[in-house]
Amino acid sequence: QVQLVQSGAEVKKPGASVKVSCKASGYTFTSYDINWVRQATGQGLEWMGWMNPNSGNTGYAQKFQGRVTMTRNTSISTAYMELSSLRSEDTAVYYCARGRGYDRSFDYWGQGTLVTVSS
Amino acid sequence: QSALTQPASVSGSPGQSITISCTGTSSDVGSYNLVSWYQQHPGKAPKLMIYEGSKRPSGVSNRFSGSKSGNTASLTISGLQAEDEADYYCCSYAGSSTRVFGGGTKLTVL
Repeated sequence: QVQLVQSGAEVKKPGASVKVSCKASGYTFTSYDINWVRQATGQGLEWMGWMNPNSGNTGYAQKFQGRVTMTRNTSISTAYMELSSLRSEDTAVYYCARGRGYDRSFDYWGQGTLVTVSS
Repeated sequence: QSALTQPASVSGSPGQSITISCTGTSSDVGSYNLVSWYQQHPGKAPKLMIYEGSKRPSGVSNRFSGSKSGNTASLTISGLQAEDEADYYCCSYAGSSTRVFGGGTKLTVL
């Protein structure tokens, strides 16, 4: 069965960076995009960007341009999202989600990773 | 990219039907038949309920249906059940591989 398993919770200081991992199993990792979506406590979902694990091509929401980097290691079927210059407003649960190219939906999601930014 | 507009909350009694709207622009909802809907229970990851505006993934109840008219997509849940109480989010493709979510709607089953 398809699974996306994310790394554990992180606590970071303002100005630092965080790197969250998302390990895929149950399907061919390079056949589907990986998207990242975040959700601040009590708030809605916010799309951050996508990565094609086959080519490494990426696309980021304008809001995160210059601060986010999405990468992958195909040998271990793992995607990564790194967010830099963290501020308190970045405190949120970060989800990876498998993206279907033909209908642009997200059919499988990771369990979420809580990133807390606090001095 | 501005978020799609959803009502903050809707409610209904068991057995009733409710509809959640999702209003975008001619750059997203209006330009593509690529709206998806997600259900999220507290503390859980979102779950895909509708894709391509009106299609249901395998395993999703046929009580859930979707439609679109112009710049507005809609999710209808018929025969409301207690387990339907959750937050619902719409999401639209917005070109150049980008997506935009709605602000979310809290469904209360009375």
